[in-house]
Amino acid sequence: EADIYQTPRYLVIGTGKKITLECSQTMGHDKMYWYQQDPGMELHLIHYSYGVNSTEKGDLSSESTVSRIRTEHFPLTLESARPSHTSQYLCASSEGLYNEQFFGPGTRLTVL
Amino acid sequence: EDKVVQSPLSLVVHEGDTVTLNCSYEVTNFRSLLWYKQEKKAPTFLFMLTSSGIEKKSGRLSSILDKKELFSILNITATQTGDSAVYLCARETSGSRLTFGEGTQLTVNP
Repeated sequence: EADIYQTPRYLVIGTGKKITLECSQTMGHDKMYWYQQDPGMELHLIHYSYGVNSTEKGDLSSESTVSRIRTEHFPLTLESARPSHTSQYLCASSEGLYNEQFFGPGTRLTVL
Repeated sequence: EDKVVQSPLSLVVHEGDTVTLNCSYEVTNFRSLLWYKQEKKAPTFLFMLTSSGIEKKSGRLSSILDKKELFSILNITATQTGDSAVYLCARETSGSRLTFGEGTQLTVNP
């Protein structure tokens, strides 16, 4: 079944640790996105990709980095986690023009 | 900065009521307007609107876009407790990028 997956779903980690949030989709979509959402707030685009080897920064300044080596995989890495990174991170994908974005279940990150 | 503004931010109704949620946006590089429902985690897609005046309908939900006045509405008739969620409006610009509004928190009481 075509879907979009994120792991881990929940992560509690100490300050200064390096973490990678995983996102995979089985729909063959060319575009993928990472959003950050604080509780009760709007989604903010932090990174996106139009395809393999394409990555762009979004609207919200972020200390994270992404890579797109394979179509189905779009991991997000924080080199040194800080309490200000505590948030929910949502991955999404879409295909072509005028097509909706499908969202993964999200990763809730807490940095102590 | 391109903005999407939703109103009201919060709404509490009783089952069976009809609700109208509003979304206004700025026009720069407009491609489409989307509505999503977010219950606990991931937003789920409801509608994509590209043309003015054409209503999209799915069961008790419907939505319409006014590109002249730069707004969209989402209607829910005969609300049920399962409709309780945050409803998100997003504007799509060139490059398939979405700018989201804050959302409307809808609570439907029995």
